Amino acid sequence: EVQLVESGGGLVQPGRSLRLSCRVSGYSFGDYGVSWFRQAPGKGLEWVAFIRRKADGTTTEHAASVKGRFTISRDDSENTAYLQMNSLKTEDTALYFCSRRVRGAGSYIFDHWGHGTLVTVSS
Amino acid sequence: SYVLTQPHSLSVAPGKTARITCGGLNIGSYSVHWYQQKPGQAPVLVIYYDSDRPSGIPERFSGSNSANTATLSISRVEAGDEADYFCQVWDRNSDLPVFGGGTKLTVL
Repeated sequence: EVQLVESGGGLVQPGRSLRLSCRVSGYSFGDYGVSWFRQAPGKGLEWVAFIRRKADGTTTEHAASVKGRFTISRDDSENTAYLQMNSLKTEDTALYFCSRRVRGAGSYIFDHWGHGTLVTVSS
Repeated sequence: SYVLTQPHSLSVAPGKTARITCGGLNIGSYSVHWYQQKPGQAPVLVIYYDSDRPSGIPERFSGSNSANTATLSISRVEAGDEADYFCQVWDRNSDLPVFGGGTKLTVL
């Protein structure tokens, strides 16, 4: 069974840092890309970042809203992806999800998701 | 960047068919995927590549895509279908995912 489990969320002051983890099981982690999403209270889904698999160069993309502050990474030996969040702002408050990114014909699908970890940025 | 537009909300009586739309310029040339998200839960993929269903998703869920509108249809709607539904495409110009704003389905 494919599982993704996020951790590392919590209450943090503006300007501080936090690192989220996404540990996966049930599939060959290295064969797939991983994405982070977030959802602010009462709002829709916002894509945050994704990292490609090693075969595709382990390259990364970040949303404009977090570029320069957040960094996605992965450790295939640990079956874990990370989201390093620096210079946090109150508007980063959200439930953060990780998901598996699956390549298809001309598109990508996010077929399995974790349950999320809550990040609250407040003084 | 590419924009997907969904109605904010939709209300349907039990047993009827819900049709949730996702509008985009020439969206018929994209592959559309749909996610269901219940309050406090993770999103679940319910339709991919316009009309395919992942294993475990009831046949009541179906999808179509043509011209400027993709549609997720849920037949014989049940109380348990009450959720937010999001459409998604992969923007080939930016090589990034694009999501619609989501539609809140209420079962009357």
